[in-house]
Amino acid sequence: SQQGEEDPQALSIQEGENATMNCSYKTSINNLQWYRQNSGRGLVHLILIRSNEREKHSGRLRVTLDTSKKSSSLLITASRAADTASYFCATDTSGSRLTFGEGTQLTVNP
Amino acid sequence: DSGVTQTPKHLITATGQRVTLRCSPRSGDLSVYWYQQSLDQGLQFLIQYYNGEERAKGNILERFSAQQFPDLHSELNLSSLELGDSALYFCASSVDRVLSPLHFGNGTRLTVT
Repeated sequence: SQQGEEDPQALSIQEGENATMNCSYKTSINNLQWYRQNSGRGLVHLILIRSNEREKHSGRLRVTLDTSKKSSSLLITASRAADTASYFCATDTSGSRLTFGEGTQLTVNP
Repeated sequence: DSGVTQTPKHLITATGQRVTLRCSPRSGDLSVYWYQQSLDQGLQFLIQYYNGEERAKGNILERFSAQQFPDLHSELNLSSLELGDSALYFCASSVDRVLSPLHFGNGTRLTVT
């Protein structure tokens, strides 16, 4: 089974709205990363948050991490049609591999 | 462009056959990872190499094998192919350990008929 589980599985919003995706995981982590995948393409790294960090920003992206609840969220503000993609969280538990969740499919309607 | 090159982009082959997927990591990256992405299993970690040595193994079948060569490129060999092996196979690279972000290639889409 996957270490990370994203919620919701699919999200459809209008351009300009904010999109929030959540990730829950089961075991202690060293860090958590978020990736984006456009259809049929390779994953692109968005942001990495370490286990001792609570919040991180990068442009229109904001990631939070709550290790007590074993959860993270990715917020995309002022979404654009080009943000349409699948978003995955990935956890580093052993220092030797990243385990990916099943992803959230985000659709931003123009 | 991630700097990771995977060839071929598409591969169609028959059951029972053997194929080789090739990956050139981003310049300067020492670690190479292989992942399999299918609709029913999601993104599954197969294996990691660091500077030519196997470093971590995931759910890689015995019919699959990989290696990383002295020039750091890697190959994933899939043999005795089954219909269920049809998937996107991604290679990713990183500078060092997995704490670093992974840089993914655009994958090889394998179709087994």
